[in-house]
Amino acid sequence: DAGVIQSPRHEVTEMGQEVTLRCKPISGHDYLFWYRQTMMRGLELLIYFNNNVPIDDSGMPEDRFSAKMPNASFSTLKIQPSEPRDSAVYFCASSPLVLDSYLSKNGYTFGSGTRLTVV
Amino acid sequence: KNQVEQSPQSLIILEGKNCTLQCNYTVSPFSNLRWYKQDTGRGPVSLTIMTFSENTKSNGRYTATLDADTKQSSLHITASQLSDSASYICVVSASGNTGKLIFGQGTTLQVKP
Repeated sequence: DAGVIQSPRHEVTEMGQEVTLRCKPISGHDYLFWYRQTMMRGLELLIYFNNNVPIDDSGMPEDRFSAKMPNASFSTLKIQPSEPRDSAVYFCASSPLVLDSYLSKNGYTFGSGTRLTVV
Repeated sequence: KNQVEQSPQSLIILEGKNCTLQCNYTVSPFSNLRWYKQDTGRGPVSLTIMTFSENTKSNGRYTATLDADTKQSSLHITASQLSDSASYICVVSASGNTGKLIFGQGTTLQVKP
């Protein structure tokens, strides 16, 4: 298995532009998570999906952020318009089950992340 | 408030030496605690996962301990290698069928030759 695949690996954009980050979860994983990592705040959960349905988006910082999962093998995180404070590494992770018994034996699988720089 | 705090923030050791990283948490109700290793430019990779009933778990040169009474965990690295240079993140999950994990800020370890 290729693992969780994210694209692009790096993105540099100007303030005000739209940015779209992409994620392909591991096949068969029912859960997909979007995280943001900064030096100041560490890893923060933005939103997660179960069977393509958004379950909890309370971590999404503001209306400029939106996420979709049109099918089981693809998700996007969009920022429009982007701002310099959005600069961070955005990780996607997937998991087949989110039950305590499963989590005790296995961990989430993270992608390699997208490093976003908004200038 | 559910929180996970790690110490030290950063650490430099010589190759071959041992080190111990600390994690204190206030997550309740507690489900499990895991340690992740994150290499520069990569996503976090799970090292160990422990539930309430587990006091220690090893993964090669990595040994994690958990004291659920004091809500403390440690990650001990034995005979460090240059490849151990990374950030080590303590992550705690609360009970319940939820995807939320509470992340510590991480400890950045640098192993020098």
